[in-house]
Amino acid sequence: AQSVTQLDSQVPVFEEAPVELRCNYSSSVSVYLFWYVQYPNQGLQLLLKYLSGSTLVKGINGFEAEFNKSQTSFHLRKPSVHISDTAEYFCAVSDLRNNNDMRFGAGTRLTVKP
Amino acid sequence: NAGVTQTPKFQVLKTGQSMTLQCAQDMNHEYMSWYRQDPGMGLRLIHYSVGAGITDQGEVPNGYNVSRSTTEDFPLRLLSAAPSQTSVYFCASRRNLAPDNEQFFGPGTRLTVL
Repeated sequence: AQSVTQLDSQVPVFEEAPVELRCNYSSSVSVYLFWYVQYPNQGLQLLLKYLSGSTLVKGINGFEAEFNKSQTSFHLRKPSVHISDTAEYFCAVSDLRNNNDMRFGAGTRLTVKP
Repeated sequence: NAGVTQTPKFQVLKTGQSMTLQCAQDMNHEYMSWYRQDPGMGLRLIHYSVGAGITDQGEVPNGYNVSRSTTEDFPLRLLSAAPSQTSVYFCASRRNLAPDNEQFFGPGTRLTVL
């Protein structure tokens, strides 16, 4: 089965600084990739997804991610963060053969400081 | 639309008690699923359903039962609660299994088993 590793459990950053949240996956087949955000005491919201085509994917709230097949990575980036971006971010993968089974990473807690 | 709703928001059980976590969606989605979220482990799929009358197991199904008698509702049953089932439970739905369908999450149920 596919799996996801989020390389940082916590990322503190100052407001207006750039940020990168790292995600690596493993799968023996082609995959779909997703980033979700979870604000405190809420469910998950989809930030962006990669299904096929261009490897650079743009999402909501100014986030983007780049699919790198050779590195099996799907890192999330934002050039300038706001206090309101403080949340937990989850990378997820599902493989093309079994779209029932989405696997999530352990999450990265992004804290934006003033 | 209310989206995906879950009740209750919080619940405390004693070991061996049973309970049902309710989930409903008003978007006429075929696919519904239950996840549990534990610290450092992300979300793990418990059970899912691809339509009324059809359910299947996910990654961590033991100790949980589900049924899907209507399109709207997908309750999760704990027959004999154990402390290992202390977790936050999320219900999710999406239109169907096509990968470009966004998955919508409910606000979660925080369950503590003493």
